[in-house]
Amino acid sequence: DAKTTQPPSMDCAEGRAANLPCNHSTISGNEYVYWYRQIHSQGPQYIIHGLKNNETNEMASLIITEDRKSSTLILPHATLRDTAVYYCIVRVDRYGQNFVFGPGTRLSVLP
Amino acid sequence: DGGITQSPKYLFRKEGQNVTLSCEQNLNHDAMYWYRQDPGQGLRLIYYSQIVNDFQKGDIAEGYSVSREKKESFPLTVTSAQKNPTAFYLCASKTSIGPEQFFGPGTRLTVL
Repeated sequence: DAKTTQPPSMDCAEGRAANLPCNHSTISGNEYVYWYRQIHSQGPQYIIHGLKNNETNEMASLIITEDRKSSTLILPHATLRDTAVYYCIVRVDRYGQNFVFGPGTRLSVLP
Repeated sequence: DGGITQSPKYLFRKEGQNVTLSCEQNLNHDAMYWYRQDPGQGLRLIYYSQIVNDFQKGDIAEGYSVSREKKESFPLTVTSAQKNPTAFYLCASKTSIGPEQFFGPGTRLTVL
């Protein structure tokens, strides 16, 4: 699985958009980009994933660059409950492939 | 309510004792996983199982053992051979299709 690079921490004001970047310059053509988050002392929670196109669901939007070497997770209106560690993972979408969770980005949403 | 349960939430053991962490799921998922998390770190894969009666070592399997006798259950035993067992242990499961791993609430193990 391709390695990802994320900033260790970020701050965001409550109500503003949180934009979390992820670099995955060695991503292969068949690897998807997944985002999970982990609120303190809980299990990680799936947010969104994508291959080439931008994706949006009720939680977030995922913007993937045209060359697929980086992506951005967008939380459009961050709340205090969005304070968590966010993990960007790239992996082949094939059964049996494992998720590799790096240190992630610690997002602090400030009042 | 479907989901993954891990018990207990907090567990204390004396050094040198084996301890077994429970993980149960009623989601009818084939695959189950055990991860370890140390403070300020990401998750590291210990063992995983894609089907009943079959499991594979992950990145840090030494000092751990598992069994998968039933689809719903994937217990993890932390043996006395594990040099630094104090950590947060997370269990997860996944279907053969779909993108999402579902995680349990975790067990925080402290070895005194």
